[in-house]
Amino acid sequence: KAGVTQTPRYLIKTRGQQVTLSCSPISGHRSVSWYQQTPGQGLQFLFEYFSETQRNKGNFPGRFSGRQFSNSRSEMNVSTLELGDSALYLCASSLTGPNEKLFFGSGTQLSVL
Amino acid sequence: AQTVTQSQPEMSVQEAETVTLSCTYDTSESDYYLFWYKQPPSRQMILVIRQEAYKQQNATENRFSVNFQKAAKSFSLKISDSQLGDAAMYFCAYAGGGADGLTFGKGTHLIIQP
Repeated sequence: KAGVTQTPRYLIKTRGQQVTLSCSPISGHRSVSWYQQTPGQGLQFLFEYFSETQRNKGNFPGRFSGRQFSNSRSEMNVSTLELGDSALYLCASSLTGPNEKLFFGSGTQLSVL
Repeated sequence: AQTVTQSQPEMSVQEAETVTLSCTYDTSESDYYLFWYKQPPSRQMILVIRQEAYKQQNATENRFSVNFQKAAKSFSLKISDSQLGDAAMYFCAYAGGGADGLTFGKGTHLIIQP
């Protein structure tokens, strides 16, 4: 069974641009959640989707958004990039939600110049 | 809001020895879950162990076990017979009973000395 796939692995953008990151969960998993990892703030929860509905959102500005498609694949979008958005963005999937075992992807490393 | 605290930024242990990583948390919920995740240099987080708060029995997975003290809000991870492959960042995490995302601690960098 294939694991969680995140694309792209690395991304370089400039301030003011927007970016879209993609996550394909494990087959059969309906919950997809996103996390931002930085050296200063550590791992922070962005949002969680289940069957195309956002069930919860972390404390991030509205520039951060996401969606989930009918095949459970998910995308997150960051508009008007800021230098502070440079981070590793991790996607995780599970059958029903974050309080069970999460399967993580290898992440997308975003650098904003 | 829930908080998770890992007071040891770095720990070092000799191969084959036992090491314990500390974690404390703060919550007002009665139904919750606790986890230890491992992040090797590959960056992919891997679940080490999961504990359901309503279960008094400490979770165990092979060489990994936890000491869950609910009243003290403490959740430490014990690694027995440490192996070189155990070297990684270890994160303690909390999840509430609903669909809230995980709250992570800052992590402990575990070094295994050969």
